[in-house]
Amino acid sequence: DGGITQSPKYLFRKEGQNVTLSCEQNLNHDAMYWYRQDPGQGLRLIYYSQIVNDFQKGDIAEGYSVSREKKESFPLTVTSAQKNPTAFYLCASSKDAGGTGELFFGEGSRLTVL
Amino acid sequence: AQTVTQSQPEMSVQEAETVTLSCTYDTSESDYYLFWYKQPPSRQMILVIRQEAYKQQNATENRFSVNFQKAAKSFSLKISDSQLGDAAMYFCAYRSGAGGTSYGKLTFGQGTILTVHP
Repeated sequence: DGGITQSPKYLFRKEGQNVTLSCEQNLNHDAMYWYRQDPGQGLRLIYYSQIVNDFQKGDIAEGYSVSREKKESFPLTVTSAQKNPTAFYLCASSKDAGGTGELFFGEGSRLTVL
Repeated sequence: AQTVTQSQPEMSVQEAETVTLSCTYDTSESDYYLFWYKQPPSRQMILVIRQEAYKQQNATENRFSVNFQKAAKSFSLKISDSQLGDAAMYFCAYRSGAGGTSYGKLTFGQGTILTVHP
């Protein structure tokens, strides 16, 4: 079955530690995205990538980093510079950055900072 | 920058009844797409319905339909014959049809929690 796989589903981190969230897709999609979800604020875009080896900052990129070395993979690192990292993180992909732009989402990763 | 506003944090409906969720957006663009996504308790986002701004006809998907008012920048979702499985958080989203750095990005509203009573 084609889809997007995020791991881990739940992650606990101590303050000052970096953590990397995995996102893998087998949909052969060009574009991939990372969103953060907080209660009452909807989804906010962290980073996005339209093609391999290229990515752009979204609206709340500070304290985060990404890479796009392979078409299938778009890992997100939450660094110690992120002041309030506890949140639900959603990875998504789309066939390309154009067209109708329908996003397909993974099941999400919940990060809790202890 | 585009903004999307959902003014109803919570809505409720009786099973088999009809409910309408509101969404307004702000943009200076003429070419764009609008979406409604559903997020059930499992937290995975699912596309409910999509509307292209250049199409005057309102989109319909089975029990789900939209009322797209381009001049008023309004995009409401109507759920007919509500079912228990419709209970979820619903997000309205906007996507620019233009190129450049906004290409492909979705801007989401704050969400509306829908409760369905048996």
